[in-house]
Amino acid sequence: DIQMTQSPSSLSASVGDRVTITCQASQDISNYLNWYQQKPGKAPKLLIYDASNLETGVPSRFSGSGSGTDFTFTISSLQPEDIATYYCQQYDNLYTFGQGTKLEIK
Amino acid sequence: EVQLVESGGGLVQPGGSLRLSCAASGFTFSSYAMSWVRQAPGKGLEWVSAISGSGGSTYYADSVKGRFTISRDNSKNTLYLQMNSLRAEDTAVYYCAKCMVRGVILHAFDIWGQGTMVTVSS
Repeated sequence: DIQMTQSPSSLSASVGDRVTITCQASQDISNYLNWYQQKPGKAPKLLIYDASNLETGVPSRFSGSGSGTDFTFTISSLQPEDIATYYCQQYDNLYTFGQGTKLEIK
Repeated sequence: EVQLVESGGGLVQPGGSLRLSCAASGFTFSSYAMSWVRQAPGKGLEWVSAISGSGGSTYYADSVKGRFTISRDNSKNTLYLQMNSLRAEDTAVYYCAKCMVRGVILHAFDIWGQGTMVTVSS
């Protein structure tokens, strides 16, 4: 099984800050990595697929990078509506989600 | 509008059974693999099971293998999850999710349902 280690588990930042979340796979997963946003009481929403591709309709302040075992998710300028929990997900061998990063406004 | 609507959740005793349904609309259902993903209260996301567009291939997380069965009826545009021998640790919101790319089993989930709550308790 592939394990996904996401960090940090929680993060407090100010509006306008650059925010970065990392995700590490236990083995090489190429670029088979997605990022989701989940707001309380809502279903997850796809933001980034294949490590770096922005889903249609998602604001350009969201971006992703990486390949192999190390991946990064970035919000270039944090907005109040970005408060949510973010998850990475590998699909190289079935599916595994990271444990999530809860993002709060400072 | 592309939409997934789950139903069938509820309260069930340990050892009991429940069948979840997910009604799809707005896309060619039979062309896309589908999955179930669950989320225990206050916890993260856990993939549960996937099925190919034709229904001929199925995949399960180790935590549910042998107890849960995924299936689909493409004539009714509906996905199912039969859950048997339920345990307290199966308590969660269950989401159905559509694979983003037609014809492949594994990719991103671009459409999610609203979720249905399953509570396993005596």
